[in-house]
Amino acid sequence: AQSVTQLGSHVSVSEGALVLLRCNYSSSVPPYLFWYVQYPNQGLQLLLKYTTGATLVKGINGFEAEFKKSETSFHLTKPSAHMSDAAEYFCAVSEGNKLVFGAGTILRVKS
Amino acid sequence: SQTIHQWPATLVQPVGSPLSLECTVEGTSNPNLYWYRQAAGRGLQLLFYSVGIGQISSEVPQNLSASRPQDRQFILSSKKLLLSDSGFYLCAWSSRIRNQPQHFGDGTRLSIL
Repeated sequence: AQSVTQLGSHVSVSEGALVLLRCNYSSSVPPYLFWYVQYPNQGLQLLLKYTTGATLVKGINGFEAEFKKSETSFHLTKPSAHMSDAAEYFCAVSEGNKLVFGAGTILRVKS
Repeated sequence: SQTIHQWPATLVQPVGSPLSLECTVEGTSNPNLYWYRQAAGRGLQLLFYSVGIGQISSEVPQNLSASRPQDRQFILSSKKLLLSDSGFYLCAWSSRIRNQPQHFGDGTRLSIL
């Protein structure tokens, strides 16, 4: 069975600083990977997805993620944090008809 | 384009009362449908998913049930709510093609008194 580990339940960065949210996966087959963002009292919004092909995936809101098979990682980055990026972020791996989600990382952006 | 609707947005119910949450999808046919719950500090928990009308898979045994009376309608129900049923309930849909992303509704905040 697939699994996802998100390192750090809380991450705090200053406005304008680099955002790095870590995700490691375990999969017995080539993985399909996703990052979602959730703002308070809202549903999850798809940020980006990795299926096959290019290992650097660009998403919405300036986020991108790099698939590294050797490290079984799919870390999410953004060069410069904005106050509006404060939210909870979920990494997920596909398992057939279902998604296996990580526990989530709450991103705090300090002014 | 596809849209997903959930209602109500918030709900306050007494212990022991029934529950019905509804989710509908527009702009797509034959979607896979999902119900999740988020309880404080417990992440996303998949409750039910459906790959077709009348086909329901239960992931967690509990006093909730789900039904899919129409292709794009998914209903979450309970006959008697427990305090532990409090949480944020999310509906999602995906394409029938495997390994596709899921798309979420805005959720229902359920508080049990």
